[in-house]
Amino acid sequence: AQSVTQLDSHVSVSEGTPVLLRCNYSSSYSPSLFWYVQHPNKGLQLLLKYTSAATLVKGINGFEAEFKKSETSFHLTKPSAHMSDAAEYFCVVSRGSNYKLTFGKGTLLTVNP
Amino acid sequence: NAGVTQTPKFQVLKTGQSMTLQCAQDMNHEYMSWYRQDPGMGLRLIHYSVGAGITDQGEVPNGYNVSRSTTEDFPLRLLSAAPSQTSVYFCASRPPGRSGNTIYFGEGSWLTVV
Repeated sequence: AQSVTQLDSHVSVSEGTPVLLRCNYSSSYSPSLFWYVQHPNKGLQLLLKYTSAATLVKGINGFEAEFKKSETSFHLTKPSAHMSDAAEYFCVVSRGSNYKLTFGKGTLLTVNP
Repeated sequence: NAGVTQTPKFQVLKTGQSMTLQCAQDMNHEYMSWYRQDPGMGLRLIHYSVGAGITDQGEVPNGYNVSRSTTEDFPLRLLSAAPSQTSVYFCASRPPGRSGNTIYFGEGSWLTVV
């Protein structure tokens, strides 16, 4: 079985300060991990993904995430938040030939001016 | 490229009515799926298909039917709508094989059952 826990349901930062969105996973085998972003009333857009290559993954819009197997974590970071980063973020796990995806419950990021 | 196309984007139904949410993809993906999104719950899998003629249940299948007669289309049917089915629905597709293959989502369908 696989599961995903997003440790914060809501994160609030000031514009220009760093962003950290935390994700822990549980999977019997080496998983593939994704971060998706959803802006209000929009669909889901892929930010980045880990597929057993480099453990530090760079995505779009300055986001990156580090896969840490020993900690079973895949936290999403960005050095400096922009107002346009305000959205909901989902951590997703998938493994092997199993087509099923498991979503975290989401983290709402608020960026204050 | 159109990607994954969902229709309608918004729909209001009365309790007991039936309707079909349409989903089509033009990427020749074998895997397609339907999710519902509710506040604080993330996305939960309703039904999925690994190819034409093959469907299976996900985490929350009750009250929904699917079929997959072609690779391109994967409609979701609500046979008798209930207020508990008020939600945002997302269709997704994915190429087969590796678990790291990117999943492509439609824009979503906002459904309200009154």
